[in-house]
Amino acid sequence: GAVVSQHPSWVICKSGTSVKIECRSLDFQATTMFWYRQFPKQSLMLMATSNEGSKATYEQGVEKDKFLINHASLTLSTLTVTSAHPEDSSFYICSALRDGGSQPQHFGDGTRLSIL
Amino acid sequence: QKEVEQDPGPLSVPEGAIVSLNCTYSNSAFQYFMWYRQYSRKGPELLMYTYSSGNKEDGRFTAQVDKSSKYISLFIRDSQPSDSATYLCAMREPGGGADGLTFGKGTHLIIQP
Repeated sequence: GAVVSQHPSWVICKSGTSVKIECRSLDFQATTMFWYRQFPKQSLMLMATSNEGSKATYEQGVEKDKFLINHASLTLSTLTVTSAHPEDSSFYICSALRDGGSQPQHFGDGTRLSIL
Repeated sequence: QKEVEQDPGPLSVPEGAIVSLNCTYSNSAFQYFMWYRQYSRKGPELLMYTYSSGNKEDGRFTAQVDKSSKYISLFIRDSQPSDSATYLCAMREPGGGADGLTFGKGTHLIIQP
């Protein structure tokens, strides 16, 4: 089945640093990848949609200058949290969509980000 | 505004029982419906994927969609302790899949041995 790999799985860093999270589709090409954020006991909230070779589309309320998304290839999208602060601590999850309108999204295992 | 309602639970049932999980939604444009299982500190795992109204069965899992009532269900037969997890319903409108999913808050399910 489809596999999406996300790295790292857990990050702890000081306030003010930038953190990069990678999302890879391992056995298929993903023209579209999505980034979600999940707070404890809450559902996944879509942050942005990433299309290969073009700028990401951000949901309302998500700062595009703070959450930089790059989708340079059909198998890799990255999310960089710039100048992270404690309120950015969350569980970040990516998903990838296999080319084709009727396909479901497949999710990575998430990255737990803790900002001290 | 898109909205999906799902009882967060926890829902606790004895091993072997039939589990019924449900979601309601308000956006009649939703056409694709999914159920994901999420273990603690893991990403969601796709369980069932259905289009429009109807039933779909896969092993111990059955998904039902009633678009007229804007109501979807997931049934788990012969529940096992390993089924203990959070179950998320998700849905989206047609449009090439380029839209992100709208999720329910998830139901925390506990299967008692």
